Amino acid sequence: DQQVKQNSPSLSVQEGRISILNCDYTNSMFDYFLWYKKYPAEGPTFLISISSIKDKNEDGRFTVFLNKSAKHLSLHIVPSQPGDSAVYFCAASARNFNKFYFGSGTKLNVKP
Amino acid sequence: DVKVTQSSRYLVKRTGEKVFLECVQDMDHENMFWYRQDPGLGLRLIYFSYDVKMKEKGDIPEGYSVSREKKERFSLILESASTNQTSMYLCASSQRTGVTDTQYFGPGTRLTVL
Repeated sequence: DQQVKQNSPSLSVQEGRISILNCDYTNSMFDYFLWYKKYPAEGPTFLISISSIKDKNEDGRFTVFLNKSAKHLSLHIVPSQPGDSAVYFCAASARNFNKFYFGSGTKLNVKP
Repeated sequence: DVKVTQSSRYLVKRTGEKVFLECVQDMDHENMFWYRQDPGLGLRLIYFSYDVKMKEKGDIPEGYSVSREKKERFSLILESASTNQTSMYLCASSQRTGVTDTQYFGPGTRLTVL
């Protein structure tokens, strides 16, 4: 049973617009969340993280929002650029865990 | 800059062969991980290690074993490869500070078992 779910396998957005990628989780013990970006033929690279003590974390064009009551997080990319086209994975863990749980990924296509 | 390298980018093996996938990290990280990535399933943890000679099963360890004789090197072994082990294999490492840490990934090995 997947504890972290990304229900949208793909997303297409026009360059310059906002991209919103969503992630849901089921385990209320999770208190640390990350987003990774993966290009074809490369390993995932860390993008941004958020701890459960926050509800928002921003890094340049990337912002992650956490809604603990809904067990939902989202990644906003503004403005979207063609170079952002990749697969995005969300991951979750907890202080006492020693591993991460990954979602199935969302493939983002940013059209020029 | 953290570097995680994997011995092969592409590998083709036959059913029943023994397969070794090697991973090396250069940042003195305690933790190392092996995942497989399949379409629609995301990254699934096979095994991980938090110290030399220590290993723990992940979510899908069946058909795999691992070896960690040195801190920087973590090997994944397929004792008798099967076609359902055709996948992208990703190695990762992280520092252990008592709090969850960012994992750094290698480029992956695309394994095809015929």
